[in-house]
Amino acid sequence: SAVISQKPSRDICQRGTSLTIQCQVDSQVTMMFWYRQQPGQSLTLIATANQGSEATYESGFVIDKFPISRPNLTFSTLTVSNMSPEDSSIYLCSVALAGGKSSYNEQFFGPGTRLTVL
Amino acid sequence: GEDVEQSLFLSVREGDSSVINCTYTDSSSTYLYWYKQEPGAGLQLLTYIFSNMDMKQDQRLTVLLNKKDKHLSLRIADTQTGDSAIYFCAEIPRGYKLIFGSGTRLLVRP
Repeated sequence: SAVISQKPSRDICQRGTSLTIQCQVDSQVTMMFWYRQQPGQSLTLIATANQGSEATYESGFVIDKFPISRPNLTFSTLTVSNMSPEDSSIYLCSVALAGGKSSYNEQFFGPGTRLTVL
Repeated sequence: GEDVEQSLFLSVREGDSSVINCTYTDSSSTYLYWYKQEPGAGLQLLTYIFSNMDMKQDQRLTVLLNKKDKHLSLRIADTQTGDSAIYFCAEIPRGYKLIFGSGTRLLVRP
């Protein structure tokens, strides 16, 4: 497995501001992802954080709203820009590790960042 | 299409077995997963099953897969109060994108 930490663990922000969330992994990993979990909901993939190139965004998510950096194989950031109350969610990073009979079939999650936008 | 469904709530008495059910629609998934989310915490990977298997047992956890009916279940034997959490089933139909169910909230009564 991998040990994943996120900062901050929670924050309360004002509408119109931006927040950058950090994700740190204790080992080098190829695949890193950012998910969103809206209140009482399941998880939705925002984007795949690619090292050395632009992130790959899922339908409904755009770079201007959720810019992502991945400067190396152990670290990534997600920024939630120009926040509104609808952005109140838990944001989780995850990493995929090779395991079992195939590659990258195990995904592990960080503890999440609980964001409240007023 | 990509759709994973779970019942929303399950309540059991401590010491009984819990069975959490999940149905999925995409038969191309190679692996199917169970995650656990405790209050205020992230997701913990509990177990996963390869799609060519029918059953996988790991201590108190038993995963059953019926590929024909696209049905996945997680059985927790001797359920404890510490098992109270939300349980998500998930699949990866393509690439690395996990598709999660809505989650089943398990409440264990003393």
